[in-house]
Amino acid sequence: DAGVTQSPTHLIKTRGQQVTLRCSPKSGHDTVSWYQQALGQGPQFIFQYYEEEERQRGNFPDRFSGHQFPNYSSELNVNALLLGDSALYLCASSPGQGHSPLHFGNGTRLTVT
Amino acid sequence: GESVGLHLPTLSVQEGDNSIINCAYSNSASDYFIWYKQESGKGPQFIIDIRSNMDKRQGQRVTVLLNKTVKHLSLQIAATQPGDSAVYFCAENMNSGYALNFGKGTSLLVTP
Repeated sequence: DAGVTQSPTHLIKTRGQQVTLRCSPKSGHDTVSWYQQALGQGPQFIFQYYEEEERQRGNFPDRFSGHQFPNYSSELNVNALLLGDSALYLCASSPGQGHSPLHFGNGTRLTVT
Repeated sequence: GESVGLHLPTLSVQEGDNSIINCAYSNSASDYFIWYKQESGKGPQFIIDIRSNMDKRQGQRVTVLLNKTVKHLSLQIAATQPGDSAVYFCAENMNSGYALNFGKGTSLLVTP
């Protein structure tokens, strides 16, 4: 049973470019959340998708956008990259309703130069 | 604003000893708490969770204690092993939201 898978594992982009990160949730999970983790910090909530809609959003600018597909997989898009966007981007999945543990992937390490 | 925080950024213990990692929270609306372990180069791994209607929950070698009076959460690891070396995060979730609010993490180092 595959867990949460993310691609790519590493990515290097130049300031001003755009990036798309991808996530496949754990089997049986229909909710996908995205987090940004700066070096030495805890993960920060970006947004959560359920039934192909953004259900909740954290304190991130509109440059950060996402999408969820009918098969529950998800993409995170970041436009006009800034140096400060360099971080580990984590995808997590969970069953849709109620409190349940998030299952995290191993993340995509994004470096903006 | 309200936030989740950890008392100690680093903790060093000897193999076989018990470890206690502490976490303070200030959001009285939080009703679900969870501990994660994160090893280098990996995503956070679920350890144990607890709802606000409980004050203690046990897992395999781990126990989470919740003290709502002083808004304190702790993770106890029994017979700590070298494989327990990692960064540990506590996180809280409010009933009205779906986001987990993470603390900054405690680095646990287990020495032989």
